[in-house]
Amino acid sequence: SQQGEEDPQALSIQEGENATMNCSYKTSINNLQWYRQNSGRGLVHLILIRSNEREKHSGRLRVTLDTSKKSSSLLITASRAADTASYFCATDRTGANSKLTFGKGITLSVRP
Amino acid sequence: GAVVSQHPSRVICKSGTSVKIECRSLDFQATTMFWYRQFPKQSLMLMATSNEGSKATYEQGVEKDKFLINHASLTLSTLTVTSAHPEDSSFYICSARDYGQAGSVYGYTFGSGTRLTVV
Repeated sequence: SQQGEEDPQALSIQEGENATMNCSYKTSINNLQWYRQNSGRGLVHLILIRSNEREKHSGRLRVTLDTSKKSSSLLITASRAADTASYFCATDRTGANSKLTFGKGITLSVRP
Repeated sequence: GAVVSQHPSRVICKSGTSVKIECRSLDFQATTMFWYRQFPKQSLMLMATSNEGSKATYEQGVEKDKFLINHASLTLSTLTVTSAHPEDSSFYICSARDYGQAGSVYGYTFGSGTRLTVV
């Protein structure tokens, strides 16, 4: 079952602007991950934030995690046309039976 | 970094035939792999968890006799869509789990997906 719920469902911005995408989840987690998918392709791992972390940076990406609200946000700064893709959050729990549970995804369009 | 190779990338088959999709971890051993199905403009739906040397664990609603999974080695899992029908047309993606990529958490590497069209 889908746990993560991203919003907005679709986002269109101008190149150079920042893009903020939000994700909410329902159960306890070990970590939350963000992935990117170009049309018709596999998923590329962007960033992982553990449940005991509140913020993490990687290049132009900034992710936050609020476990009390069961939510996360992904910020892409200074967006580029090449950032156009679908973005998914996914949660992972602990243990040998861990597996990713994906949200519905956000379609980001960056206009040149 | 970890690489997962998935083949074929596209396949067209006739209704009633079977199609096999391969998922290989190229530079690491994966005792656990996952198979997802994705419909256009939708998210990934987990079909089954493939465990090396044992039976796959299927998600509720997924027909195990239709979607046969074999994980005979630590680097290869296969998904066979048996007696395929047009409604099986979809994008199938595999993922391999690797412990320790991110230090004490599991890392997941995805294949590039297989576009199956049943005519």
